[in-house]
Amino acid sequence: GNSVTQMEGPVTLSEEAFLTINCTYTATGYPSLFWYVQYPGEGLQLLLKATKADDKGSNKGFEATYRKETTSFHLEKGSVQVSDSAVYFCALSDRPGGSYIPTFGRGTSLIVHP
Amino acid sequence: NAGVTQTPKFQVLKTGQSMTLQCAQDMNHEYMSWYRQDPGMGLRLIHYSVGAGITDQGEVPNGYNVSRSTTEDFPLRLLSAAPSQTSVYFCASSYRIDSNYGYTFGSGTRLTVV
Repeated sequence: GNSVTQMEGPVTLSEEAFLTINCTYTATGYPSLFWYVQYPGEGLQLLLKATKADDKGSNKGFEATYRKETTSFHLEKGSVQVSDSAVYFCALSDRPGGSYIPTFGRGTSLIVHP
Repeated sequence: NAGVTQTPKFQVLKTGQSMTLQCAQDMNHEYMSWYRQDPGMGLRLIHYSVGAGITDQGEVPNGYNVSRSTTEDFPLRLLSAAPSQTSVYFCASSYRIDSNYGYTFGSGTRLTVV
């Protein structure tokens, strides 16, 4: 079956530091990959996505590249801000022919200090 | 504003009581789903629907019922609340149950069963 593994948190950084949150996946088909962000007290919001190998998703300074050879979709940001403090979820969804229901990782908490 | 609306935001129930969590979307999304979020467990799928009149069970369906009489609404019913159902519940929708579309989440219902 499908699965998503994220690095455990919390990840604690100082403002303007470089961020990497690791995500690897296992899928039977050809999945699309997503990152969602959850700010305190809110629901998840789609942050970025990539639908095929070597695609790069980007939004709000965050980037992630779909690496089929390493089955990874690591989230990166060059300079984090206090406002980026949130929980980040990696997710996958198979294309037609597989299971369409998204599979989520357990989430990684990011804490950014001034 | 277009989106997914969940009510209530907070609820306290006594063991054995029943209640309905409401979810409505105005984006004409075919796919709707309910998740529960517990510390250290990530998101777990309770029930989902691919269209009006069609529902199916997710990973943790026991103790919950759903129905989908309209495209817009997807209520979740707790039949006889138990302390193990204390959680944060999220409703999510998508245009189609398809890999290229991300999901729109509601802001959640925090339920406590005493």
